[in-house]
Amino acid sequence: NAGVTQTPKFQVLKTGQSMTLQCAQDMNHNSMYWYRQDPGMGLRLIYYSASEGTTDKGEVPNGYNVSRLNKREFSLRLESAAPSQTSVYFCASSSPGRVYGYTFGSGTRLTVV
Amino acid sequence: DAKTTQPTSMDCAEGRAANLPCNHSTISGNEYVYWYRQIHSQGPQYIIHGLKNNETNEMASLIITEDRKSSTLILPHATLRDTAVYYCIVIRNSGNTPLVFGKGTRLSVIA
Repeated sequence: NAGVTQTPKFQVLKTGQSMTLQCAQDMNHNSMYWYRQDPGMGLRLIYYSASEGTTDKGEVPNGYNVSRLNKREFSLRLESAAPSQTSVYFCASSSPGRVYGYTFGSGTRLTVV
Repeated sequence: DAKTTQPTSMDCAEGRAANLPCNHSTISGNEYVYWYRQIHSQGPQYIIHGLKNNETNEMASLIITEDRKSSTLILPHATLRDTAVYYCIVIRNSGNTPLVFGKGTRLSVIA
């Protein structure tokens, strides 16, 4: 099925470890986004890429880096994980004029111990 | 982008229509109203969006007031599977600007 694929689905890290969350979309969307969601909260934007080759900070970028590898892929890297980064991470993609709007992945549940 | 205000929670009987309100009194003329829902920590799911006119699709109807300062999402025959958090989002550009999520409305459909 067409959509946004996130890997891994679950991950446990120790404080200080690094990891990369992967996101790929097959809808030929121009824009891609990374959000985090803490318990009982709405989604908060970490970084986004309006088009291939560009990235911009969102509301909560500290502690994260991103790479727009190509039009399909947008990765999120935690260089030195902290317990405060325990969250569910969602990737999304979009393009102007697409009838279904923004499409979200199923999320990555990250626990930092 | 305009700020939205939604009730924190609502209940609805199964089989009845669920009417979820949203206030967006500072909306600009070129801003769209989007509705998404999130079922139990899954990724948000697109429901419907509109600019000025009322819209209907297979999932829901969107009623936007003439002055565009408020809207209502209508789920015509709510089922238990419609239990979710519903987000009303107002955004300037359609399709290449980040969505900004508030806390939404937690809808509980009751048997």
